This record gives sequence, C-alpha cells and structure tokens, in this order.
Amino acid sequence: DGGITQSPKYLFRKEGQNVTLSCEQNLNHDAMYWYRQDPGQGLRLIYYSQIVNDFQKGDIAEGYSVSREKKESFPLTVTSAQKNPTAFYLCASSPRRVDSGFITDTQYFGPGTRLTVL
Amino acid sequence: AQSVSQHNHHVILSEAASLELGCNYSYGGTVNLFWYVQYPGQHLQLLLKYFSGDPLVKGIKGFEAEFIKSKFSFNLRKPSVQWSDTAEYFCAVRAGASGTYKYIFGTGTRLKVLA
Repeated sequence: DGGITQSPKYLFRKEGQNVTLSCEQNLNHDAMYWYRQDPGQGLRLIYYSQIVNDFQKGDIAEGYSVSREKKESFPLTVTSAQKNPTAFYLCASSPRRVDSGFITDTQYFGPGTRLTVL
Repeated sequence: AQSVSQHNHHVILSEAASLELGCNYSYGGTVNLFWYVQYPGQHLQLLLKYFSGDPLVKGIKGFEAEFIKSKFSFNLRKPSVQWSDTAEYFCAVRAGASGTYKYIFGTGTRLKVLA
C-alpha cells in the first residue's frame, strides 16, 4: 500500500521545546515538501527537497530545520525559535518528471500533523 | 514574486447549483496549474491539473477548469454540485522552469453545499 505517512496525527509540546515531525513515503518520489496550513492563509511552503542530501528554504523557513538523509524520509524539526508553531503541518512528495525541459509532476499529500504548543 | 489569488473564501450553494471558483496567478512564464481538494477529515488530494495542450481540463467527480492565459486565470467549475462536494478547494501554481519545484498555493475556498 503506497503512500505518505506522517506521525503523529496530534502532537502537544511545551513552549521552548524542539519537536520533530515525521514524514515517510514509499512512492519512490525524488522531491519532498513541508507546508504549514493556517486558517485563512492556505498552504505556505516551509522547506523542500528535490533529491537526497539537498534541500531548499521555502517562504517561511525561519524557526524550522529539515534533513534528507534518505529518499523515503524528510523529517521537520520545529525549533524553539519558531514564534508561532501551533499549526497543521502537511508533508508532500512528487516524482521528478521532466518533459521537454519543463518539470511536470503532481504532489501527493500526507494526512498531516496538528501541532499544539502549550 | 509569484502569487495565487482565490477571491472567494467561503461559498455556500444549494445542491444542483452551478459552481465557479476563481483562481488568478501572477507569473509571466510557463506555468503548471492545479486544483486540490480537502474533504473534511481527509488528505489533500488532486482534483485536476493543467500542464499543456487543451486549456479545458477535466478532473474527477465532474469538475473542470479552464486555463485562460490572457487573464492569468484557472477557474474551477462544476455544473451541478452535490452535498458531498462540501470541502476546501485550493488552487496552486508552479512555474514551469526546469529545476523549480516550488509550488505556490492560494488561500483556499471553503465550499458548503446545502442538501
């Protein structure tokens, strides 16, 4: 059964603690992404990775860190530097298809992790 | 900077009414366009996409969208909505340049269909 898994579904942490959100995919996709979803703001890109051992900052990377040591895994750490960490976090992946020099791919999303910082 | 605008934040319709959700983007080059849907309690999933060719794209569950390049728009339509279409809908754009994997999402439109 292929897909993207995120764990846990709900996560509670005290203010000032770092927390790591898990994202695993068995779709053999090259690219993986982390988004944050807040009411009225849609999805905002935190970090993305096009290939193992490489990643780029998205629009709201401050206070977050990632690693991509394996193709299947792209964990996100929410650090104490993130000023407003309570949110719904979505992980996604996409294959790396290129057609006539242009990238053509679709993102597949995980179920999300709702992080609440108390 | 690239951006995506969804002007309708909340839409309420009765069953069988027609639906059109607006999506406008700002980018002058080649784009890939997507509509994603998030049903209550479910994953965000792809509804339809446009990469090239026929600007009228048909997706799942009777949805379609039309890419109008001159208007930088990719509006989503359905002739007759059902109660089960109640969900949040997101438009997304990716600049079609090689090496760019960055997607820009709109703020979403919450659709409620009354039975």
